[in-house]
Amino acid sequence: AQTVTQSQPEMSVQEAETVTLSCTYDTSESDYYLFWYKQPPSRQMILVIRQEAYKQQNATENRFSVNFQKAAKSFSLKISDSQLGDAAMYFCAYRNPLGGDGGATNKLIFGTGTLLAVQP
Amino acid sequence: DVKVTQSSRYLVKRTGEKVFLECVQDMDHENMFWYRQDPGLGLRLIYFSYDVKMKEKGDIPEGYSVSREKKERFSLILESASTNQTSMYLCASSPYYRGSGNQPQHFGDGTRLSIL
Repeated sequence: AQTVTQSQPEMSVQEAETVTLSCTYDTSESDYYLFWYKQPPSRQMILVIRQEAYKQQNATENRFSVNFQKAAKSFSLKISDSQLGDAAMYFCAYRNPLGGDGGATNKLIFGTGTLLAVQP
Repeated sequence: DVKVTQSSRYLVKRTGEKVFLECVQDMDHENMFWYRQDPGLGLRLIYFSYDVKMKEKGDIPEGYSVSREKKERFSLILESASTNQTSMYLCASSPYYRGSGNQPQHFGDGTRLSIL
């Protein structure tokens, strides 16, 4: 079974600095999808960034970028120019390729999360 | 924007009660999910549904059941609530079509359920 590991329960960064959150996963699949979600104190989970395993280029969304190392099964999130609004719990998630079984393979497997604090 | 609405943000119930958590999505998504979120454990899947009246057990289905009578609505039922079911419950939805693997799940605001 696939697993997702986030080894940093808590991280802290100074405003305007850069921080990297780690995520590793275990799978025997060659094609899959990876996501980073953010959960601020207001609680609603929102998508930060996504990566398709077949794409070698690392995904980027404004100040957020990933370092996707397929051979190492690593998917870290880099936040540049950190802002106070970036303070949140961040979850890494994995999804298998969709199969012919309806939405059954649409499940996400989540890591345990990293709580990011941003210091002014 | 996709809207996933959970009926309550906070709920307090007593041990042994039958508890219903409701979730409605407005984007005609095929897939709907119920998760439980506990500190240090991340999100764990309780049940999911990929079509009306279809359901599949997730990783921790014991003590829970679900109902999906209409495509937009997915209910989580605690048959006889126990104190170890005190938790945050999150509902999510996502589309299913050829090529939708990169489509994210969209989440509701969550229901913080306390069982006394």
